[in-house]
Amino acid sequence: NAGVTQTPKFRILKIGQSMTLQCTQDMNHNYMYWYRQDPGMGLKLIYYSVGAGITDKGEVPNGYNVSRSTTEDFPLRLELAAPSQTSVYFCASSPGREPPPHFGPGTRLTVT
Amino acid sequence: TQLLEQSPQFLSIQEGENLTVYCNSSSVFSSLQWYRQEPGEGPVLLVTVVTGGEVKKLKRLTFQFGDARKDSSLHITAAQPGDTGLYLCAGDSLDDYKLSFGAGTTVTVRA
Repeated sequence: NAGVTQTPKFRILKIGQSMTLQCTQDMNHNYMYWYRQDPGMGLKLIYYSVGAGITDKGEVPNGYNVSRSTTEDFPLRLELAAPSQTSVYFCASSPGREPPPHFGPGTRLTVT
Repeated sequence: TQLLEQSPQFLSIQEGENLTVYCNSSSVFSSLQWYRQEPGEGPVLLVTVVTGGEVKKLKRLTFQFGDARKDSSLHITAAQPGDTGLYLCAGDSLDDYKLSFGAGTTVTVRA
């Protein structure tokens, strides 16, 4: 039981490049989330999903896209990377509204 | 989005001392979570409090939820170097299921 798995762990992108951050969970959780964490700013919700085929915007969705074709996977897409997207990205999941989400180990992204 | 303010932002103490971290908001939460995060890792849930005035203990950690469910505190007794980390509070609002996080308190316990 691996929990929430995120790949890659680190990535450096040039401005304007695109990439997909992968997130997989093996706990059969319905709810999945993407957060970004910037120093001194806490975690901000980017997108979330309450089940396969359902996604919705969080606080800071601009510049990102998501899809949820299966219960297990919730990839986050950056189409045109910008320096403002330099951050640590965390994927999380939970069975439903409760209990609180379980977080993955994070992906550290640098855009230069 | 509900705003959660944590204080202090940084705390450095000697092993064996006590410390308290605060989490305050003007919003009411249906529940409040405390997470601990170590460098290079994701946040790990410590506790959830749901009832106004509730006190929960986890070994040397004591968590309290305010009577009005707008604030919370985390008290660590006889801190140890293993308690070092970033402590985050997160609130679950009454009308949606999205957690709002505070900015965190970085705790350093010196041996």
